[in-house]
Amino acid sequence: DAGVTQSPTHLIKTRGQQVTLRCSPKSGHDTVSWYQQALGQGPQFIFQYYEEEERQRGNFPDRFSGHQFPNYSSELNVNALLLGDSALYLCASSLWRVSYNEQFFGPGTRLTVL
Amino acid sequence: GNSVTQMEGPVTLSEEAFLTINCTYTATGYPSLFWYVQYPGEGLQLLLKATKADDKGSNKGFEATYRKETTSFHLEKGSVQVSDSAVYFCALLGSTGFQKLVFGTGTRLLVSP
Repeated sequence: DAGVTQSPTHLIKTRGQQVTLRCSPKSGHDTVSWYQQALGQGPQFIFQYYEEEERQRGNFPDRFSGHQFPNYSSELNVNALLLGDSALYLCASSLWRVSYNEQFFGPGTRLTVL
Repeated sequence: GNSVTQMEGPVTLSEEAFLTINCTYTATGYPSLFWYVQYPGEGLQLLLKATKADDKGSNKGFEATYRKETTSFHLEKGSVQVSDSAVYFCALLGSTGFQKLVFGTGTRLLVSP
């Protein structure tokens, strides 16, 4: 049973560029959440997708956008990259209907903005 | 809003020592509480959880009890190993139906032989 997978593992971009990160949820899961983890900090919630719609969003600007596909996989897009966007981006999957909603995390994508 | 406060690290211990990592939270209603562990270069792994007051979560020798009266969820282990060296995150999931985890800043544990 494959867990949550993310690609790419590492990414280096320059300021102003755009980036797309990808996530495949754990088998059987239908909900994908994205988190940003800056160095030395705890993960911060970006947004969550279920049934191909954004269901909830954290305090991130509109430069951060996402998408969920019919097979439940998801993409995170960041436009006009800033140095401060450098972080580990974590994807988590879960089941929408489970009350306490245990979330399973992928290994993350390390984004460096130069 | 909901928040989690963890003790700052690093916590440095010798092998077989007793571990406590403090975690307190602020939340409305009855949140679910979690401890996640992050090994170097890896994502987060769920270590244990508790979904209601007085529940005790346990896994791999780690324990934490959901104390609503003190709004705490302290992580303990009776005898740590070198392989326990990692960063530990306390997190909560609000009871309002919104499915976002709120994390503490993490506590790094270093265990020496």
